Amino acid sequence: GAVVSQHPSRVICKSGTSVKIECRSLDFQATTMFWYRQFPKQSLMLMATSNEGSKATYEQGVEKDKFLINHASLTLSTLTVTSAHPEDSSFYICSARVNQRLYNEQFFGPGTRLTVL
Amino acid sequence: GIQVEQSPPDLILQEGANSTLRCNFSDSVNNLQWFHQNPWGQLINLFYIPSGTKQNGRLSATTVATERYSLLYISSSQTTDSGVYFCAVRPPGGGNKLTFGTGTQLKVEL
Repeated sequence: GAVVSQHPSRVICKSGTSVKIECRSLDFQATTMFWYRQFPKQSLMLMATSNEGSKATYEQGVEKDKFLINHASLTLSTLTVTSAHPEDSSFYICSARVNQRLYNEQFFGPGTRLTVL
Repeated sequence: GIQVEQSPPDLILQEGANSTLRCNFSDSVNNLQWFHQNPWGQLINLFYIPSGTKQNGRLSATTVATERYSLLYISSSQTTDSGVYFCAVRPPGGGNKLTFGTGTQLKVEL
């Protein structure tokens, strides 16, 4: 299957700082990538859809000014958590979709565990 | 939006046992995937199965799209099968979004 990488895997930061997370599709081009958030013992919740060359589409309740998404190329999307606070601590997971007419499986990165002190 | 329920929520098995996990969804779908989330959080793709039956080693899956459910079968379970199993679906006209189910937490004991 296709491979999606994510960096960093773990980050600890002070309240008020910004954190950037990178998501790369390693062996395929992805016009669409997705950012999810997962709290302990819960399912994945979609935050936003990242479209190459255009603005991201955010889910209801997700602050676009706090979670900045940039999809600058067909293999790279970044999520920046701006002015992070302890309530932003979570597990962030990106995914990329193989985009063929009758086949569009999604593959997921290994996740980034963010802890805001 | 579409609702996705999984059962059972928790399952404990002895090594070597078989199990069936279920995923019910409230609307028609054109994509359904099963994932295993390992203890480190990595989501591993198990099946891309919007309809029909597939098998991969000790795992198999069946999706009956007309009745809005999918089943994941695990045979001869091993301790490494432990983790959370998620199904995720995308309805027609639902954009690109996958909606995840509630998950089944599986623990396989010696």
